[in-house]
Parts: sequence; C-alpha cells; structure tokens
Amino acid sequence: KQEVTQIPAALSVPEGENLVLNCSFTDSAIYNLQWFRQDPGKGLTSLLLIQSSQREQTSGRLNASLDKSSGRSTLYIAASQPGDSATYLCAVRPGYGQNFVFGPGTRLSVLP
Amino acid sequence: GAGVSQSPRYKVAKRGQDVALRCDPISGHVSLFWYQQALGQGPEFLTYFQNEAQLDKSGLPSDRFFAERPEGSVSTLKIQRTQQEDSAVYLCASSLDQNTEAFFGQGTRLTVV
Repeated sequence: KQEVTQIPAALSVPEGENLVLNCSFTDSAIYNLQWFRQDPGKGLTSLLLIQSSQREQTSGRLNASLDKSSGRSTLYIAASQPGDSATYLCAVRPGYGQNFVFGPGTRLSVLP
Repeated sequence: GAGVSQSPRYKVAKRGQDVALRCDPISGHVSLFWYQQALGQGPEFLTYFQNEAQLDKSGLPSDRFFAERPEGSVSTLKIQRTQQEDSAVYLCASSLDQNTEAFFGQGTRLTVV
C-alpha cells in the first residue's frame, strides 16, 4: 500500500528565502504526482502535476522535481513571500486509473 | 463553471441528523472525486465517479455514507445518522479524466454536535 510522508511538518522562514519542501512515497512505481496548496479554511489549489516520465515541472517561482527511484519529490520555492504562507500537500497517483494518496502536508509560514 | 463549487460551505448537524453535501464540478469533467479531510491531516479518498457511474467507493467509512451523480454532472454526498466522528471537511474534485490534473472545490466543513 502506497504511503506518503512530508517533511518538515511545519516551517517558518523570513521573507526572501529560497526553500525546499520534501515529499516521500514508499512505492516508487507511481503514475503521476501533484503538488497542491491549501489556505486555512479553504480547498486545494493545484500547483504542479508531474508525470512519472518527467523529472521536473516549473511554474513561476515554483519548481517541482521527481526522483521515482528514491521515492522522492521536492517543491522548491524561490524568493519566498508572505503570500506563500499556506499548507503544501503532495499527492501520489499509484497507478493508471487509481486515486490520489495524499501526504499530511507541510505548513509554511513566511514572515515579513 | 469557472471552478468546482461546493455547498454549503459550512454545516452544523445534530448527532443522528441526515446531511446532504453538493458538488458542482467543472463543466465537461468526466471524473469526480470525494475526499474527507480531518483537522491537520491530508485528504482521504472516499469515492470516485466516471460520468454517472460510481466506479470506486472503497473509501466510504460506513454504510451511512452514500454518494450519487445521477446525470453525470452534479454530485451529492449523503451522510445518514451523523456521528461526531463524521466531523471533517468534505472536499470534491473533478478532472477531465481520472489520470489528469485534479481541481478541488472549497470544501464543506461539517461539524456534528
């Protein structure tokens, strides 16, 4: 059974710092992986989707990488801003036609 | 519509009451998912529809939970005889098909008192 973990559980950084959020999964045979952002009391906002054949995806200040063999994905946020404060969730699709398995999230606070 | 819409945003139910949560997916999206999110945790899968067909309901925690999507668009998640442990945020997501990017609604926060 696929299990997803995220480290750290919480992170607090000053504005302007570059930072890395980590996602690990137990079974390296995945179909795709998606990163989401969740603001307090809100739903999930899609950030990046990486297919199993891809190594990375970029959108603005965000870069997500995927290393299937080691069971890891990282979300890199450049030049962090207070508006980036949210919980970041990693979700793994174990196989074609299967549903996402979510990690518990990393709660990020960017201090002005 | 522009995005996935869920209603109500908040629901307080007395223990034993039945509730119905609604999800309007993005127009044209074949796949629709329901997730349950407890406080401080990631979402947990409940059920999945492809058009009107419920293809996977393995995540439904008990037979008190029932979901339908009769015309392949709007979906309703019904919880009968609510219990305190049902208190959570219920999230709906849709996608063009099951393997593409998923888009989530704002969720319905259910509190059972």
